[in-house]
Amino acid sequence: SQTIHQWPATLVQPVGSPLSLECTVEGTSNPNLYWYRQAAGRGLQLLFYSVGIGQISSEVPQNLSASRPQDRQFILSSKKLLLSDSGFYLCAWSLTGGETGELFFGEGSRLTVL
Amino acid sequence: TQLLEQSPQFLSIQEGENLTVYCNSSSVFSSLQWYRQEPGEGPVLLVTVVTGGEVKKLKRLTFQFGDARKDSSLHITAAQPGDTGLYLCAGGLLTDSWGKLQFGAGTQVVVTP
Repeated sequence: SQTIHQWPATLVQPVGSPLSLECTVEGTSNPNLYWYRQAAGRGLQLLFYSVGIGQISSEVPQNLSASRPQDRQFILSSKKLLLSDSGFYLCAWSLTGGETGELFFGEGSRLTVL
Repeated sequence: TQLLEQSPQFLSIQEGENLTVYCNSSSVFSSLQWYRQEPGEGPVLLVTVVTGGEVKKLKRLTFQFGDARKDSSLHITAAQPGDTGLYLCAGGLLTDSWGKLQFGAGTQVVVTP
């Protein structure tokens, strides 16, 4: 069966510090991968998605970047965090070629920038 | 602006009552999904509907996709405290690649014993 893990679960960082959130998927090959951000108790905003190694699409201009160094690894980064980067970050995967794009989410990473 | 509008934003009911959550749009979706999310966790897929007018039942949950594929509803019968959570609808636009979903802002449901 497929599993997805992301870490760290909780992170408290000062403004201006770097960020690295990591996500890995097991049990499937060539998945589509996504990074979402969620405001407290609200809907999800798509940040990045990837259909293959090294292929990254950005949905919104921001202080963040994403990379996919391996087929089942997706990393969210920032060189200098802003206060507005605080939030709940979710990694997700979906099947390549799936007709309905159903998403399977990781456990989430809570980032607080102080 | 949110392509999918969910209503109500918040719903608090007693155990045993029924509830309905709505997800509306002026856009046509190729498919629509419902997720439930508990605090501090990722959303979990409940159901996918793909055909206009489709009705799916999952135990006490009934999901309906509008005939025009622009709206959907989630009805819970005899709600239980375990139904508490944030309910999110998400859809794939006909004009978007299938992998990109549009999410509603969510409906927070609280079921008290």
